[in-house]
Amino acid sequence: DTAVSQTPKYLVTQMGNDKSIKCEQNLGHDTMYWYKQDSKKFLKIMFSYNNKELIINETVPNRFSPKSPDKAHLNLHINSLELGDSAVYFCASSQDHDRVENGYTFGSGTRLTVV
Amino acid sequence: DAKTTQPPSMDCAEGRAANLPCNHSTISGNEYVYWYRQIHSQGPQYIIHGLKNNETNEMASLIITEDRKSSTLILPHATLRDTAVYYCIAFMDSNYQLIWGAGTKLIIKP
Repeated sequence: DTAVSQTPKYLVTQMGNDKSIKCEQNLGHDTMYWYKQDSKKFLKIMFSYNNKELIINETVPNRFSPKSPDKAHLNLHINSLELGDSAVYFCASSQDHDRVENGYTFGSGTRLTVV
Repeated sequence: DAKTTQPPSMDCAEGRAANLPCNHSTISGNEYVYWYRQIHSQGPQYIIHGLKNNETNEMASLIITEDRKSSTLILPHATLRDTAVYYCIAFMDSNYQLIWGAGTKLIIKP
């Protein structure tokens, strides 16, 4: 019954590897997001999709590529992982990108550790 | 993992103190209480966090009960720009896993 679910919860991998994080929401929301939480606990938006279309693409390395096969799923693929990619990544959804005053629903996060 | 419960919405008059409650009765000894807020069209904004002691920063104060089963976020002089959804989160620093509640929609009225 989890509204926004991310997998895996923990991911430990070596530098140079390629990995994916998956996100699914069962709320019927139109908009999904990926955030990165930095070492100071701040959440920075990376990407946002509305109904499978990319609407926010912040300055992130090209190694990060989001994919939205349908509006209930937003996956994050990372190529050639670097040490600096270690962080917690959060998926979120909202009913609509124009009406976010209703709030976001967040997943519980994926802790990525690159060694 | 501890879950948090918050009232879905609250109103507060501009200039008054806004007191936002949060229950986290299953919180464990090493879980922090974090508060974030979401302002329209912006990403979540960190406000404050604490473990046992009360905390204060330039944005807010955090009051944690002695048994740690509940806490209150205090915005001392609320302004219209404080209208947002406020999230209380139990956070285990060792594994960085957050449990997000539904949040409280705080509306500051002139």
